[in-house]
Amino acid sequence: DAGVIQSPRHEVTEMGQEVTLRCKPISGHNSLFWYRQTMMRGLELLIYFNNNVPIDDSGMPEDRFSAKMPNASFSTLKIQPSEPRDSAVYFCASSLFGANTEAFFGQGTRLTVV
Amino acid sequence: DQQVKQNSPSLSVQEGRISILNCDYTNSMFDYFLWYKKYPAEGPTFLISISSIKDKNEDGRFTVFLNKSAKHLSLHIVPSQPGDSAVYFCAAVKSGTYKYIFGTGTRLKVLA
Repeated sequence: DAGVIQSPRHEVTEMGQEVTLRCKPISGHNSLFWYRQTMMRGLELLIYFNNNVPIDDSGMPEDRFSAKMPNASFSTLKIQPSEPRDSAVYFCASSLFGANTEAFFGQGTRLTVV
Repeated sequence: DQQVKQNSPSLSVQEGRISILNCDYTNSMFDYFLWYKKYPAEGPTFLISISSIKDKNEDGRFTVFLNKSAKHLSLHIVPSQPGDSAVYFCAAVKSGTYKYIFGTGTRLKVLA
């Protein structure tokens, strides 16, 4: 398996533009997580899904952030409109629900909003 | 409200010596704990875990200790190697939620 695949790896956009980050989880995994890494807060959980259903989105910072999981093999995180303070590395991770097990991370998307 | 805390942002250790990374948590409902290692420009990778029914788990050079009464866990790396230089994150989860809560990370530098 190729692991968790995220795209793009890098994104530079202007303030006010819409940004869409994409994630393909590991086949067979039924939990998917979006994290944001910042110096101040480390790895911050934004939202997670079980069986394509959003379970907890309490970490989503504002209404400008939204996430979807239309099927078991694809998820998006959208920021609209983007702001400079959204600049960070965004990680997607997946795991197998139902047992204490680890989450597997993608390589991340480095977002820069100028 | 940081439920998982890593109070040391960085640590330097000589090659061959022991590295000890610490992590504290505030939520007594957490019952599974993990350590991840992260190299620059890569995603975090799983290193070792421990269930709350244990107080120690060992895997090669890596050992995790859990002190539930103190809500504290630590990762020991013996002997430390230059390739261990990375950022280490601890994470905690409450069974049934699958909501992994991470700390802010500790940057370990192993000096040759």
